[in-house]
Amino acid sequence: EPEVTQTPSHQVTQMGQEVILRCVPISNHLYFYWYRQILGQKVEFLVSFYNNEISEKSEIFDDQFSVERPDGSNFTLKIRSTKLEDSAMYFCAGQPGTGNNEQFFGPGTRLTVL
Amino acid sequence: QQQVKQSPQSLIVQKGGISIINCAYENTAFDYFPWYQQFPGKGPALLIAIRPDVSEKKEGRFTISFNKSAKQFSLHIMDSQPGDSATYFCAASRNSNYQLIWGAGTKLIIKP
Repeated sequence: EPEVTQTPSHQVTQMGQEVILRCVPISNHLYFYWYRQILGQKVEFLVSFYNNEISEKSEIFDDQFSVERPDGSNFTLKIRSTKLEDSAMYFCAGQPGTGNNEQFFGPGTRLTVL
Repeated sequence: QQQVKQSPQSLIVQKGGISIINCAYENTAFDYFPWYQQFPGKGPALLIAIRPDVSEKKEGRFTISFNKSAKQFSLHIMDSQPGDSATYFCAASRNSNYQLIWGAGTKLIIKP
C-alpha cells in the first residue's frame, strides 16, 4: 500500500538557521498540506498546495515559511530562520483529489530548535 | 467560528467497554467530519469519517454519531481493546477549502 514518507525523522537545529523538511506524497495525489503539532497540543494547519501553488495558508505560515514541489515528487517545507517556537512535529499530508476529502499523513518530522 | 472543541482530554476505559469521545463545532459550512487515530511517534491515520447528510456511520467497532442541529458529533468505540489505546482527534473541513480544523485530541487508555 502506498504511503507518505517524510525525511528526516528528527532535525535538530540552532535558532536562526534554515531548515528544509522533505515529504514524498502518494504519487497520484493532487492536494498537499503541511500541518504542525507542538508537543501536547492540537494539530494546526500551515498551508495547502494545489496545482503548483499555495491555495490556503494560516496565520502561522508567515514570510519565514515557504513550500515548493520542485520535481513533481518531493514536497518541501522551508523555514528560513528558525525560532525556538518552531519546535514541533511537522506532518505532510496528501489528498487524492476533488470530492475525496481523505488526507493521508506521513509519519512526521520532529524539529527541535535550540 | 473555526474551532472544533473536543472532550474529554483523556479517557480510561476497561477492556470490552464502550469509549465515547465528543466534538462540537460552530461553522455550519463544515461538511466533512473525520476522526483520526494517532499512536506515539506516528502520523495521524484516518479512522472513520462522516458527512452531514447522515446521522450515523459504522465501520466495525467504530461508530460516528452526528447531530447536525446541535452541531455535535461523537466517536463510539465498542468492545474497546488495549490496542485501541491511542490519541484520537476529531476534525472538520469544507469542500471549498479542504484544510482540516482539529480538535485538541483525546488520549484513550484501555485497561486490560
